[in-house]
Amino acid sequence: DAGVIQSPRHEVTEMGQEVTLRCKPISGHNSLFWYRQTMMRGLELLIYFNNNVPIDDSGMPEDRFSAKMPNASFSTLKIQPSEPRDSAVYFCASSYGTGSYEQYFGPGTRLTVT
Amino acid sequence: KQEVTQIPAALSVPEGENLVLNCSFTDSAIYNLQWFRQDPGKGLTSLLLIQSSQREQTSGRLNASLDKSSGRSTLYIAASQPGDSATYLCAVGGSGGSNYKLTFGKGTLLTVNP
Repeated sequence: DAGVIQSPRHEVTEMGQEVTLRCKPISGHNSLFWYRQTMMRGLELLIYFNNNVPIDDSGMPEDRFSAKMPNASFSTLKIQPSEPRDSAVYFCASSYGTGSYEQYFGPGTRLTVT
Repeated sequence: KQEVTQIPAALSVPEGENLVLNCSFTDSAIYNLQWFRQDPGKGLTSLLLIQSSQREQTSGRLNASLDKSSGRSTLYIAASQPGDSATYLCAVGGSGGSNYKLTFGKGTLLTVNP
C-alpha cells in the first residue's frame, strides 16, 4: 500500500511567485494534516482537515497561505505571494481519524524562496 | 500551551550500546504520545504510539514508556546499530476536542558509530 504522496519533492521559486504543494493521503484515511518544519521552530501544524472539511486552520501563518481538500484523495497548500521566510520543509500527514489518531507522514516538499 | 522538550539534543554512542532518549511535556492532559524517526531529507516514520491510558509500548528493540503524571516519556533502544542513526522526535496529542493536534519536540539527533 502506498504511503502519503507529496509533490513536488523540491521547489525553488522567486519571491512573489505562487507556489502550490500537493498531497495524496493514504486511501481510507479521513484526516489530513499540513505541517511546516524549520530549524528555528521545529514542526508546526498548519491546518487539519477531517472528512475533507477544514477543522483547525489556526496554524496558518497569514492570508498568503491557503489550503483545500476537494476530495478524500487530494489536498493542496498554496502560498501566494511567496516570501523568503516561507522557505521550509512542508509535510502532509494522514490518519484514520477516530481512535488512536496515529499519523503517517509523507516525504515532504522542500521549498526554497529566493 | 503545551511545550515538549527532548533531552539530549544530540547523542553519539558506540554500536551495541543500550540507550535512552527523554521527552518531557508541560501539560499532562494528553490524548496520546507518539515517537517518530526522521532520516535526513526524509519524512517522519512512526515508531510507537502510546495511548494516555497505557504505560508502555514495545516494538522489536524499541520500548517507549509514558508517565503522564510527571509529564515524561522515554524511548529505550536496545543493542543500538549504525542503522538506528537518525533524529528521533517525540510528539504529544492534545486532549478533549484537540486530540488530533500533535505538539512536537525539537528532536534528539542520534549517531551510532560502528
